Amino acid sequence: DGGITQSPKYLFRKEGQNVTLSCEQNLNHDAMYWYRQDPGQGLRLIYYSQIVNDFQKGDIAEGYSVSREKKESFPLTVTSAQKNPTAFYLCASRANTEAFFGQGTRLTVV
Amino acid sequence: DQQVKQNSPSLSVQEGRISILNCDYTNSMFDYFLWYKKYPAEGPTFLISISSIKDKNEDGRFTVFLNKSAKHLSLHIVPSQPGDSAVYFCAATFGTASKLTFGTGTRLQVTL
Repeated sequence: DGGITQSPKYLFRKEGQNVTLSCEQNLNHDAMYWYRQDPGQGLRLIYYSQIVNDFQKGDIAEGYSVSREKKESFPLTVTSAQKNPTAFYLCASRANTEAFFGQGTRLTVV
Repeated sequence: DQQVKQNSPSLSVQEGRISILNCDYTNSMFDYFLWYKKYPAEGPTFLISISSIKDKNEDGRFTVFLNKSAKHLSLHIVPSQPGDSAVYFCAATFGTASKLTFGTGTRLQVTL
C-alpha cells in the first residue's frame, strides 16, 4: 500500500529536550512538507523539501530542523529553542498536483 | 501576511441543502488551488482541485469555482450530508513542487 507514515501518533516531551518526528513515504514523491496545526490557525508551513539533499524554511521554521538524506524520509526535529512546541504536526508529500498527508503526530510538552 | 484566507470560521447547513465554503487569496502567482477535508486528530484528505486556466471543476457532489479577477474560489457541496461535517481547508500553490499555502479552515456542520 502506498502512502505516508508518521510516527509516533502521540509524543510527550519534557521541556528542554529535543525530539524527532518521523515521516516516511513510498509514493516516490520528490516534494515533502512539514506543517503545524494549532487551534484556529490552520496549517502553517515549517519546512519543505523539493528534492533530496535540499530543503527550505517555511513560515515558522524557528526552533525546528529537518534533513532529507533519502527521498522516502523527511524527519523533523523539534528543538528546545521552539517556544511553543505543543501542537499537531502533519507531514505531506507531493508529486505534481495534490499533496497527500500522513495521519499526524500530536506532540505534548510536559 | 495571510496569503490565503477563509473568513468564515464556521458554517451550519441542513442536510440536503447546499454548502458553500469560500476562500480568498492575495498572491496572483498562485496557479493551482485545492480543497481538503479534515477530521480531528487526522491528516487532511484531498477533495478537489482546480487549475487557474479553468473556472469550474466538478466531482460528484463537489464543485469548485474560481474567479481569478476577484482572487476568490468557492467549494459547493450539493446535497450536503451529515458525513460532510468536518473542517475544510483551501490551499494554493504555483509550480509542481513548491509549497502549499493553506487557509485557516472553515468548520462545516451538517444538521439533520
